[in-house]
Amino acid sequence: DTGVSQDPRHKITKRGQNVTFRCDPISEHNRLYWYRQTLGQGPEFLTYFQNEAQLEKSRLLSDRFSAERPKGSFSTLEIQRTEQGDSAMYLCASSLNPEAFFGQGTRLTVV
Amino acid sequence: EDQVTQSPEALRLQEGESSSLNCSYTVSGLRGLFWYRQDPGKGPEFLFTLYSAGEEKEKERLKATLTKKESFLHITAPKPEDSATYLCAVQSPNFGNEKLTFGTGTRLTIIP
Repeated sequence: DTGVSQDPRHKITKRGQNVTFRCDPISEHNRLYWYRQTLGQGPEFLTYFQNEAQLEKSRLLSDRFSAERPKGSFSTLEIQRTEQGDSAMYLCASSLNPEAFFGQGTRLTVV
Repeated sequence: EDQVTQSPEALRLQEGESSSLNCSYTVSGLRGLFWYRQDPGKGPEFLFTLYSAGEEKEKERLKATLTKKESFLHITAPKPEDSATYLCAVQSPNFGNEKLTFGTGTRLTIIP
């Protein structure tokens, strides 16, 4: 399977804990995106990388959120001191041309 | 700020009953309009990109069209496997603005 891969698929964590998600994009894609989606809503943009450079961040991305893409390959999204409001599906997408291809997402539940 | 409004929120059709989904958008300029299909618990699956008014794209029972203010996703003779949420998104051409702005989707149910 050469699509976008996300790990883990599901994560349950206690409030206040830190969590980290991983995204492996399609290998030749230089652009990588993180989105968050809650029930009944469309995906909301969080951040964007072109190669290893983080070029755009949403105002939604509080200082508890940090994303990296070392060497322009895989990416990680870390949430520190999780809150119940962080419960959502976290989606990663990659693209070479305008079309973005999404992974299956990581479902985060904060209890 | 880019805005996307999709209607209806939900649509139930009998198998074989054709219909259209609407996506209205407001952008400062349009780099592209995208349609995705999303099944429950899965990530969005890319369907179409439209770039300019008058453009049309087709795939199996789906046809997407674009005007200067809205896009339609026409579904002809749908089957139960077409049941999903259909998402519309826009991308504006501003330098450094690579994000997609999504609507809330139309949840389509095809009844056998």
